[in-house]
Amino acid sequence: AQKVTQAQTEISVVEKEDVTLDCVYETRDTTYYLFWYKQPPSGELVFLIRRNSFDEQNEISGRYSWNFQKSTSSFNFTITASQVVDSAVYFCALSRVDSNYQLIWGAGTKLIIKP
Amino acid sequence: DSGVTQTPKHLITATGQRVTLRCSPRSGDLSVYWYQQSLDQGLQFLIQYYNGEERAKGNILERFSAQQFPDLHSELNLSSLELGDSALYFCASSVVPTSTDTQYFGPGTRLTVL
Repeated sequence: AQKVTQAQTEISVVEKEDVTLDCVYETRDTTYYLFWYKQPPSGELVFLIRRNSFDEQNEISGRYSWNFQKSTSSFNFTITASQVVDSAVYFCALSRVDSNYQLIWGAGTKLIIKP
Repeated sequence: DSGVTQTPKHLITATGQRVTLRCSPRSGDLSVYWYQQSLDQGLQFLIQYYNGEERAKGNILERFSAQQFPDLHSELNLSSLELGDSALYFCASSVVPTSTDTQYFGPGTRLTVL
């Protein structure tokens, strides 16, 4: 079965701390894509990253970094020196190759950054 | 700004009524997706269109319908509304209709049914 698990329902940290959001997935596919989206309190869904299963290089974008490990089926997201504006719900998603061609979404992790 | 537009931003209506939500995809995107997000819940996929044709269906109620027009904009029609239909409705678009392509989301329409 294909599945995405974001076990952390809610994380609360103080500003400037580093925080890691976990994403563990299950899939039978050899080729797949993983995504992260951010949903701030204003409600919109913002695309953050798309990663191919053949590219295991870590990605860094400013204070954001992603660690993709096929051996543990994880695609974790780290925010360094967190800021209040990082407060949001973060969703991880997995592509699927079947008749429906739809994304499999994790339940989301609510991140609260306290000033 | 993702380039996907949705109107209206907010909609308040009564039970039993019918509403239409509108979505314009990013320039060049042929595929449109509709999602529902109820309070404290994740994203529920409703339906997908590609170049005017229905591509895939998710957990869409029979009271809901959608279409994609020749200019590629899409409309989601919700009828016989119930209190439980109150939710945030998102439209997303992508270039190709497969889940390997990035979906860019609109700002959403917040529907409140009273």
